[in-house]
Amino acid sequence: EAEVAQSPRYKITEKSQAVAFWCDPISGHATLYWYRQILGQGPELLVQFQDESVVDDSQLPKDRFSAERLKGVDSTLKIQPAELGDSAMYLCASSSLRAGLPHNEQFFGPGTRLTVL
Amino acid sequence: SQQGEEDPQALSIQEGENATMNCSYKTSINNLQWYRQNSGRGLVHLILIRSNEREKHSGRLRVTLDTSKKSSSLLITASRAADTASYFCATAVNSGNTPLVFGKGTRLSVIA
Repeated sequence: EAEVAQSPRYKITEKSQAVAFWCDPISGHATLYWYRQILGQGPELLVQFQDESVVDDSQLPKDRFSAERLKGVDSTLKIQPAELGDSAMYLCASSSLRAGLPHNEQFFGPGTRLTVL
Repeated sequence: SQQGEEDPQALSIQEGENATMNCSYKTSINNLQWYRQNSGRGLVHLILIRSNEREKHSGRLRVTLDTSKKSSSLLITASRAADTASYFCATAVNSGNTPLVFGKGTRLSVIA
């Protein structure tokens, strides 16, 4: 069964350093989401892509976060510089109405757990 | 910001018992979905209920939706130790590829 791939699974960094996370969605899924999940809470959307275009990045802290999906397939989320409050799980999800699904079921990757020291 | 609030925050039951989790939300929705998350892992889609539906079943799962009260419940019958996980409700204001707004989740522990 196709899955969303993410790497790395774990990342420990010091504050003020740069970090990058990678996501490869399910093949053919045009829509890709990055969510941040703070421990003990539900995921919150950071950015949504439709193919290579950003659809919604209203909750992305653009002074330090950036996201790209250059060819409309895999995506990279970057934080520079990292702050202590960025410690969280970063989840990537994908979905596609073109796959014949009548609704927006999202398929999640295993996540990248970031710890900022 | 979180749309939904799950209740209870944590639930501990014996294997074989039923588990009921509730979710309340704030705005009008197109559909509501429930997801499960095992510790430190990604989320797995369980079931979706549309705003014009009142009840839906999938295996041991039963979901109800009351749009007048802006609330939903997830019932897991005959629970198993493997059901131990966090459960989140998520709402979508539109159909199609729209972001989900998640609640804070209910942590379910099923004791063998």
